[in-house]
Amino acid sequence: GQQVMQIPQYQHVQEGEDFTTYCNSSTTLSNIQWYKQRPGGHPVFLIQLVKSGEVKKQKRLTFQFGEAKKNSSLHITATQTTDVGTYFCAGLLAGNNRKLIWGLGTSLAVNP
Amino acid sequence: ETGVTQTPRHLVMGMTNKKSLKCEQHLGHNAMYWYKQSAKKPLELMFVYSLEERVENNSVPSRFSPECPNSSHLFLHLHTLQPEDSALYLCASSQVQGPGEQYFGPGTRLTVT
Repeated sequence: GQQVMQIPQYQHVQEGEDFTTYCNSSTTLSNIQWYKQRPGGHPVFLIQLVKSGEVKKQKRLTFQFGEAKKNSSLHITATQTTDVGTYFCAGLLAGNNRKLIWGLGTSLAVNP
Repeated sequence: ETGVTQTPRHLVMGMTNKKSLKCEQHLGHNAMYWYKQSAKKPLELMFVYSLEERVENNSVPSRFSPECPNSSHLFLHLHTLQPEDSALYLCASSQVQGPGEQYFGPGTRLTVT
């Protein structure tokens, strides 16, 4: 079946270091969405990427969508303690089956 | 009130109890979802309602029974649960058309004793 693999599962960084999480899909995606879940909270939609090779930025966060629309990455520059949480990618399948396939998430811990 | 709301926020129930979780969305969306999130496990999609019709049931045990009376409300009826059903139950909504981003409620933290 369709899968979205996300790595790493956990990442522990010092404040100020960079962080990257990667998603890889077994199938071509219509779009890829990123969500953040703070500890004790619920997933919150961050952004979606639709076009092949698309790059979007939100302040210190940079999101990329691969040329084949099968992989994506989220890069955080100079992490802060407010970045702590779990980052999920979710891929929307192409075609008529509009199913959102979720990655397992990457939990980010930031040491002050 | 805006966004997606869920009640109750916390629920403790015995295995013989019957309870219901409620979700309401104020975003004008026409698709609603129930997810289960257990500690150190991925989000598990349980049910999907699109235009008030159930379109997906991911092999969820019959002790979980969803109900979607209209596009703004979603219920999850619970009966004879097991301790392993203890988890965070999240409701989400989206538009059927368009990019499909989902908006989540705060969740109900369920403990089955």
